[in-house]
This record gives sequence, structure tokens and C-alpha cells, in this order.
Amino acid sequence: DIVMTQSPDSLAVSLGERATINCKSSQSVLYNSNNKNFLAWYQQKPGLPPKLLIYWASTRESGVPDRFSGSGSGTDFTLTISSLQAEDVAVYYCQQYYSTPCSFGQGTKLEI
Amino acid sequence: EVQLVESGGGLVQPGGSLRLSCAASGFTLSSYWMHWVRQAPGTGLVWVSRIDSDGTSTNYAGSVKGRFTISRDTAKNTLHLQINSLRAEDTALYYCARGAGYIKNWYLMDVWGKGTTVTVSS
Repeated sequence: DIVMTQSPDSLAVSLGERATINCKSSQSVLYNSNNKNFLAWYQQKPGLPPKLLIYWASTRESGVPDRFSGSGSGTDFTLTISSLQAEDVAVYYCQQYYSTPCSFGQGTKLEI
Repeated sequence: EVQLVESGGGLVQPGGSLRLSCAASGFTLSSYWMHWVRQAPGTGLVWVSRIDSDGTSTNYAGSVKGRFTISRDTAKNTLHLQINSLRAEDTALYYCARGAGYIKNWYLMDVWGKGTTVTVSS
């Protein structure tokens, strides 16, 4: 099974500043035949279910603000929030869907 | 409006059983893969099981294989998770979620319910 490890576990960023969350997979999630990384990011606000933010490592889901961006390939990935807003306070999870069982990172708690 | 509403959670003794349900509205279950994902208190997300759009193929996490069974009732547009031989470590909030489709990927989850809580304790 692929193990996903996020860093840091928690992060405090000032409003308007950049937030960066990292995710590392125990094996590559890059599918060579289509050159796509099977990596997604979810946002979970307190008391709510997760929300899909980004898939294929860098494609924003419809309606997601463009301050959210994803990058990386193979085993190392990053979620960046370019200018933190108060409503971005949440726990962020990466997910690999390269192989079954799909798996999530342990989460990164983002605070102001 | 596309919506998922879970029910059926509760307090159950170790070794007991529960049947979780997830009522879908705004879309047809039989057109999508569906998943169960759980979240133990204060911890992260763990994928539990999925069923394909035909209802003929299922997968389970190793920790629940042989104890949990995913199924659906197309007439009622409802997803189920039968959970047997419950253990303390099964205590969690159980979410149902919709697979995002063939083009994105069926293991992406684009619609989530609010969850139903299962507590296993004597």
C-alpha cells in the first residue's frame, strides 16, 4: 500500500501571506502512459466534510479560488495558498489514487 | 441539488453489527462509483470501501475486509454499508462520497455527506 506523509502537521500563517503544505508518497504516483500524477488535495473545515480542491496534482476543481495551486511530480507534491484568507483555516489532506487502496496523508492543520 | 445524507450510526458493543445508509438525491447512484470513508475522532481520513456504477465490483480496505459489505439499492437510490464484528478501532465518523467520474477518476471524491457516527464500546 502507498503511504502518504504530509509536512508539517500544523502551520500558522498570517493573513495575506503564503502557505505551503508538502506531501510525499512512499512510491511514485506518476502514471507514465499519460504523464499524470494521481494526487489530489482536499480541504476540511471544522465540523464539515472534506472538499475536493485539486486533482492530477495541479488541476483546480471547479469553483476553487486561484490562490490555491498544486505542484510536484512523482513522489513529492506541494499545495500552495498564495495569499491566506480567514476562510482558508482548515485541515488539508493529500490523497493518492494511483493504486488501490487509495490513501490519504495524515493532514496538515492550517491556522492564522 | 446534489446531496448525500448518511444515517444508521450509533453506539454498539464490540462484536455487534450496524447497517449504515446513504441516501442520494440530485443524481442517480447507478451512474457513479460510491465510496465509504471514515474518520476516527481527531484523526485523518481513511478510505473504507467502494462499489462501481454497475454494482458488480467492490473493494475494501484490508482492516475491514470480511467484516464490512458495501451494497446499494437502486430503487431507493441508497448506498449501504453493513458492518459486522465491530471493534473499538472502528469507532469513527463514516462518510459516504461520490466518485468524480471516469474522466477525472473514480477514486476522486467530489460530493460528500456530513457523515454518521459509529461508536463501539461496552
